[in-house]
Amino acid sequence: QQPVQSPQAVILREGEDAVINCSSSKALYSVHWYRQKHGEAPVFLMILLKGGEQKGHEKISASFNEKKQQSSLYLTASQLSYSGTYFCGTEIGDDKIIFGKGTRLHILP
Amino acid sequence: DAMVIQNPRYQVTQFGKPVTLSCSQTLNHNVMYWYQQKSSQAPKLLFHYYDKDFNNEADTPDNFQSRRPNTSFCFLDIRSPGLGDAAMYLCATSRGDSGETQYFGPGTRLLVL
Repeated sequence: QQPVQSPQAVILREGEDAVINCSSSKALYSVHWYRQKHGEAPVFLMILLKGGEQKGHEKISASFNEKKQQSSLYLTASQLSYSGTYFCGTEIGDDKIIFGKGTRLHILP
Repeated sequence: DAMVIQNPRYQVTQFGKPVTLSCSQTLNHNVMYWYQQKSSQAPKLLFHYYDKDFNNEADTPDNFQSRRPNTSFCFLDIRSPGLGDAAMYLCATSRGDSGETQYFGPGTRLLVL
């Protein structure tokens, strides 16, 4: 039931782009994306609801393909502050989020 | 303005000595969640309250209990902490409808000696 995230880790230089994928074996009601820095709580980035949509938040955007039960997070022109672990959380309509194992993103100057 | 508050931020306890972690919220949200997160792992849901209705995850050990005396407060009780219970414990809240954002507190890091 846990969603599968890929890749497990990414190393980028500042200004480069990254894509993080999240896939589920179950039909999804929503997908939540969070970023967590070491020793801190997860910080909400965005939520995508079923119906298939794409959202943007500054240089971070995401898409949700309900049919394929997949979501992708796009980071463009990455900044040093983007470093951290990105978690996707999937909801199947029961008010619970199940988190993937996370993708570690490290941005080099 | 703090919205989800957890106390204490760091807790040290002894093996087998009961410990209580607290969470409070100023958002008036219906749902409060407790997660356990071990190093380099995803947050794992332990249980959640929808108002006063308690929902336990099937794989949550009996050693973990929770109380929600009112809308604002929720407690996590660990009856007999073992070394394997050392982790970050995260509290989160949401309005409760499907597709709603969960807001996380800063977490309590538990160390078991």
